[in-house]
Amino acid sequence: GESVGLHLPTLSVQEGDNSIINCAYSNSASDYFIWYKQESGKGPQFIIDIRSNMDKRQGQRVTVLLNKTVKHLSLQIAATQPGDSAVYFCADLLGGGNKLTFGTGTQLKVEL
Amino acid sequence: GAVVSQHPSRVICKSGTSVKIECRSLDFQATTMFWYRQFPKKSLMLMATSNEGSKATYEQGVEKDKFLINHASLTLSTLTVTSAHPEDSSFYICSARDLGLGTDTQYFGPGTRLTVL
Repeated sequence: GESVGLHLPTLSVQEGDNSIINCAYSNSASDYFIWYKQESGKGPQFIIDIRSNMDKRQGQRVTVLLNKTVKHLSLQIAATQPGDSAVYFCADLLGGGNKLTFGTGTQLKVEL
Repeated sequence: GAVVSQHPSRVICKSGTSVKIECRSLDFQATTMFWYRQFPKKSLMLMATSNEGSKATYEQGVEKDKFLINHASLTLSTLTVTSAHPEDSSFYICSARDLGLGTDTQYFGPGTRLTVL
């Protein structure tokens, strides 16, 4: 089975609010994690990544948090905008491997 | 980030014909590329790993004779769907692994929508 799964299939937020998308993984050997954004009819777009030796990484308006104790990953989007509406996937990579395992995806809907 | 292109973006073909999809890494070299298939409202399913200069590695359940993969150069991998049938209709996405400058990230192409009539 997949080593990565998401808690919620759909998340609706108001424009301007912060969004938090969660992800759980099961394999403690996973050492690299990536968040992708996929808009309808397009390929996944890299958002941010984090290695297992870190617990937080920030990008532009996005922050990824990694809790290795409970095998949990989250993506925080600040001041969510309509353009953030998409499906968000987390993916993990086992140490020494090259194959990503994708979660089921969370649909983020931004309400005006 | 790095750019990966796919061509064509959409293709409609008749049942029994073959379709070739190209995946190119535009600003980096990729010894490894990946081919995925995605059904509506589903996650990405890895089909195979394409290795430059060697045979592709297929995931369990993926027919290598039906989905031919060629990785002829460090910037190009092709997927050929042979004798396509309606059940092969799907969204095919490639990714390329960027190992430059201490990174190890996969960048995805825009996808190819295949419709088999």
